[in-house]
Amino acid sequence: KAGVTQTPRYLIKTRGQQVTLSCSPISGHRSVSWYQQTPGQGLQFLFEYFSETQRNKGNFPGRFSGRQFSNSRSEMNVSTLELGDSALYLCASSPTPGAWDTEAFFGQGTRLTVV
Amino acid sequence: GENVGLHLPTLSVQEGDNSIINCAYSNSASDYFIWYKQESGKGPQFIIDIRSNMDKRQGQRVTVLLNKTVKHLSLQIAATQPGDSAVYFCAEKRTGGGNKLTFGTGTQLKVEL
Repeated sequence: KAGVTQTPRYLIKTRGQQVTLSCSPISGHRSVSWYQQTPGQGLQFLFEYFSETQRNKGNFPGRFSGRQFSNSRSEMNVSTLELGDSALYLCASSPTPGAWDTEAFFGQGTRLTVV
Repeated sequence: GENVGLHLPTLSVQEGDNSIINCAYSNSASDYFIWYKQESGKGPQFIIDIRSNMDKRQGQRVTVLLNKTVKHLSLQIAATQPGDSAVYFCAEKRTGGGNKLTFGTGTQLKVEL
């Protein structure tokens, strides 16, 4: 069974631009969550999607958005990029959001550098 | 505020010794805890989990202990190997929170030969 796939692996963008990151969850998994990882703030939850609906949202500005498609693939978008948005963006997939005691499987992440 | 934090940022151990990585949490509503290992350039990898109705759970070379009285979680790695060198994170989840994980700050484990 293939794992969580995130594309692209690396990205360099200029301040003010926007970026879209993609995540394909494990086959059969319907819940996708996104996290931002930085040296200063650690791993922080961005949002979770299930059945094309956002179910949870972290404390990030509205410049961060996401969506999920009918095949459970998810994208996240960051508009008007700032230098502080430079981070590793991780996607995690889980079978369903209702099974609270199940692990989340992470992808390798997309390394975003804003210059 | 609610947080999950680690006591030590870096832990150095000799190969073959046992390692203990600690984690404190503040929210009594947390009912599921997970330890993740993250190697350089990779995403977090599941190690072991424990539900709040348990005190101890063992896996292959790893044991997680949960002390709900003091809101403390620990990960014990037996006979630490060079391949165990990584950053270890504790994370918590609570019923009704979907799959949202709240992570601790992480501990860098360095295994010395």
